[in-house]
Amino acid sequence: DAKTTQPPSMDCAEGRAANLPCNHSTISGNEYVYWYRQIHSQGPQYIIHGLKNNETNEMASLIITEDRKSSTLILPHATLRDTAVYYCIVRANNAGNMLTFGGGTRLMVKP
Amino acid sequence: GAGVSQSPSNKVTEKGKDVELRCDPISGHTALYWYRQSLGQGLEFLIYFQGNSAPDKSGLPSDRFSAERTGGSVSTLTIQRTQQEDSAVYLCASSPGPTSGNTIYFGEGSWLTVV
Repeated sequence: DAKTTQPPSMDCAEGRAANLPCNHSTISGNEYVYWYRQIHSQGPQYIIHGLKNNETNEMASLIITEDRKSSTLILPHATLRDTAVYYCIVRANNAGNMLTFGGGTRLMVKP
Repeated sequence: GAGVSQSPSNKVTEKGKDVELRCDPISGHTALYWYRQSLGQGLEFLIYFQGNSAPDKSGLPSDRFSAERTGGSVSTLTIQRTQQEDSAVYLCASSPGPTSGNTIYFGEGSWLTVV
């Protein structure tokens, strides 16, 4: 899998948008970008994924640059419950394509 | 059930004993994964099942670890002769299929403490 680079930590004020960046400069054409988060040591929670186009769901938006070398996860109105470790993962399109988790970004939402 | 179900949610065992951890994937999902996460550490891939294919065991840390998937559904992860370093949360995940467009969903994990 292509490697990803994320800042180790970020702070965000409650009610503001949280923008979490991810670099994946070696991504291949058929690799998807996935975002998960993990609160305490609960199981990772799927947030969103995309290939080329920007994506939006009830949780977040995913903005992927045109060259696909980076992306941004946007939580439009962060709440205290969004405090978690956020993982950006690039996933190869081959059999056995397990998710390879890096260090992620620890997002702290503050009142 | 609606999600990936794991049991037991918590297990305390004595060093040297064998343990079995169970995973019920989301109905219809052909791909099943086991990961583990030690306290304060990242997720470590253990094993992957896809349909009737031979499992990918490349992440198993030693021959004390094994896993089975019966009937293409339920999976059991077995740890023999447990050691204290086996203490971790063991996470199971499933996916509708093997390609990268298929989302992987995780269970809440089985917390194992070896004393």
